[in-house]
Amino acid sequence: DTEVTQTPKHLVMGMTNKKSLKCEQHMGHRAMYWYKQKAKKPPELMFVYSYEKLSINESVPSRFSPECPNSSLLNLHLHALQPEDSALYLCASSQAVGFYGYTFGSGTRLTVV
Amino acid sequence: LAKTTQPISMDSYEGQEVNITCSHNNIATNDYITWYQQFPSQGPRFIIQGYKTKVTNEVASLFIPADRKSSTLSLPRVSLSDTAVYYCLVGGPGRGSTLGRLYFGRGTQLTVWP
Repeated sequence: DTEVTQTPKHLVMGMTNKKSLKCEQHMGHRAMYWYKQKAKKPPELMFVYSYEKLSINESVPSRFSPECPNSSLLNLHLHALQPEDSALYLCASSQAVGFYGYTFGSGTRLTVV
Repeated sequence: LAKTTQPISMDSYEGQEVNITCSHNNIATNDYITWYQQFPSQGPRFIIQGYKTKVTNEVASLFIPADRKSSTLSLPRVSLSDTAVYYCLVGGPGRGSTLGRLYFGRGTQLTVWP
């Protein structure tokens, strides 16, 4: 299995909702990442997990809460989002932090209404 | 962290060779150069990675001069399906706060015409 699987593919949520994005990989990669991408812009780094521990938080607002329950799974919990948080959320994995041959998922298209 | 500069857009025709150049003047000794391709509403896809001289795989070649301050992604005989955004990234194992921080620049929108 050489893929990163993200679910759901599309999500519409209200500003008072709580939802979660899920990312899964079975390549034995020990580093996992969340990126956010707005239309016509490059992906922006949000979080980095290394061996299931959060190693980088790029000053992301607390309404985004990452979680890495095990080495194959990465979640992004969403709460009280704003319309400007609407974007494509991308998950990626790599062999380890510092190895930049990332495998990206297809992303979750999030719309906050 | 090394900053990269690429052309914002390029046009080509089917069957031609396309060369996209990336400047990275402050590349560090242990940095690698990695290129990704992204189609609309999809995640970036790894194309090729290199450290110096030339690297070739089944889809592209990467040329890196001796001073490593630039690199060129070469796509042979492009087709319509190569229309995408191409990102050049520079990063290495790093140490301390730089480790794991891989940042995307603005990328190059390649449009292939029939």
